[in-house]
Amino acid sequence: QKEVEQDPGPLSVPEGAIVSLNCTYSNSAFQYFMWYRQYSRKGPELLMYTYSSGNKEDGRFTAQVDKSSKYISLFIRDSQPSDSATYLCAMSTYSGAGSYQLTFGKGTKLSVIP
Amino acid sequence: DTAVSQTPKYLVTQMGNDKSIKCEQNLGHDTMYWYKQDSKKFLKIMFSYNNKELIINETVPNRFSPKSPDKAHLNLHINSLELGDSAVYFCASSQVLASNTGELFFGEGSRLTVL
Repeated sequence: QKEVEQDPGPLSVPEGAIVSLNCTYSNSAFQYFMWYRQYSRKGPELLMYTYSSGNKEDGRFTAQVDKSSKYISLFIRDSQPSDSATYLCAMSTYSGAGSYQLTFGKGTKLSVIP
Repeated sequence: DTAVSQTPKYLVTQMGNDKSIKCEQNLGHDTMYWYKQDSKKFLKIMFSYNNKELIINETVPNRFSPKSPDKAHLNLHINSLELGDSAVYFCASSQVLASNTGELFFGEGSRLTVL
């Protein structure tokens, strides 16, 4: 079993739809849970992060973590064409000496159709 | 002014050649990383350096040799390139702070194609 599982999609939704992206993980040592967004031919950029179980909201985006089920989600409300990108979940552990080890999911490719 | 910059952005080369990718960050971070993203978009860590010292060295063929001349630079040299080395290589940096999650700042990637 891989440490982080993420459905690669692709996922295609109409503009304005609510999008739900999910990851499951197996390693209880993960400390921080993040969502990165990667546009085509660009590097990933941090969208949101959470530490504890529960919800965290930022504008149209809500990140949710359920540590007991080892399950994280990202919800996008009122999706826009500009949200079209690959979304990668990532989980971090501190490796010591100032170094974090991020384990990424495979990413879900999202297309929002106008 | 780009925070994490990599050169070259594109690299096409023959099997068996040796090539290097350079990375520089102007964020003042102490830690830099190399990640490999394969054709299926899977992003996997290769190396990390903190203040020029190797911290993480994942299971990577020893044909890959990172070099960090100072904390703002981390280069990747690849010997005897193979077809399977074709991928996008991302450089990233991070800083350890009390409130930090270990957010990584990525460059735009260097797309390597081995023919």
